[in-house]
Amino acid sequence: QSVVTQPPSASGTPGQRVTISCSGSSSNIGSNTVNWYQQLPGTSPKVVIYTDDQRPSGVPDRFSGSKSGTSASLAISGLQSEDEADYYCAVWDDSLNGPVFGGGTKLTVL
Amino acid sequence: QVQLQESGPGLVKPSETLSLTCAVSNYSIRSGSFWGWIRQPPGKGLEWIGTIYHTGNTYYNPSLKSRLTISVATSKKQFSLRLTSVTAADTAVYYCASATVAVPAAMSWFDSWGQGTLVTVSS
Repeated sequence: QSVVTQPPSASGTPGQRVTISCSGSSSNIGSNTVNWYQQLPGTSPKVVIYTDDQRPSGVPDRFSGSKSGTSASLAISGLQSEDEADYYCAVWDDSLNGPVFGGGTKLTVL
Repeated sequence: QVQLQESGPGLVKPSETLSLTCAVSNYSIRSGSFWGWIRQPPGKGLEWIGTIYHTGNTYYNPSLKSRLTISVATSKKQFSLRLTSVTAADTAVYYCASATVAVPAAMSWFDSWGQGTLVTVSS
């Protein structure tokens, strides 16, 4: 069980806005930056948000990230069928002295 | 864009050693980057295995540290993972990844990933 917690599933209809949460502690989210990875079925993970709220080039501006205290969130607005994937938050943990991944959230577009 | 490609046996017997290599192209392995290994058991989430820095310093997941060695072969443009005394619990897709943006480790992210290689531990 990861020290960083995500809901196992989330869903939305096309066009909707969905939010995925990531809850941690003072040794990880509370003191370090959060990254979000998207893993489409059968593919390698790809970063969609880094350093809490930064979007890599090529990632649609429908994706946004935020952080407050020991929690972080990934929001996807204008949901599209191609957004259906597993999403993982990741953050450095000072106790582990390395990155820890959340358990992942499976996003279903209904 | 960094390109990474894992290679190694797809089947390892219990108690034996798992060895994988990640070939790096389109980027200098000597540069100020982090090179990491992450694994994903079938149907499960991602687990950080360990990271080696361009300086040669290594950081390992404490749960694997006693069995793990990560090294860099600069001249061969590759880095490697060696995990001893494997069990069925080590069955997973193993990814190599890189963090090439020059920030402190605690602020870094994996910006390039290999395609992953499935390693099954079974007799």
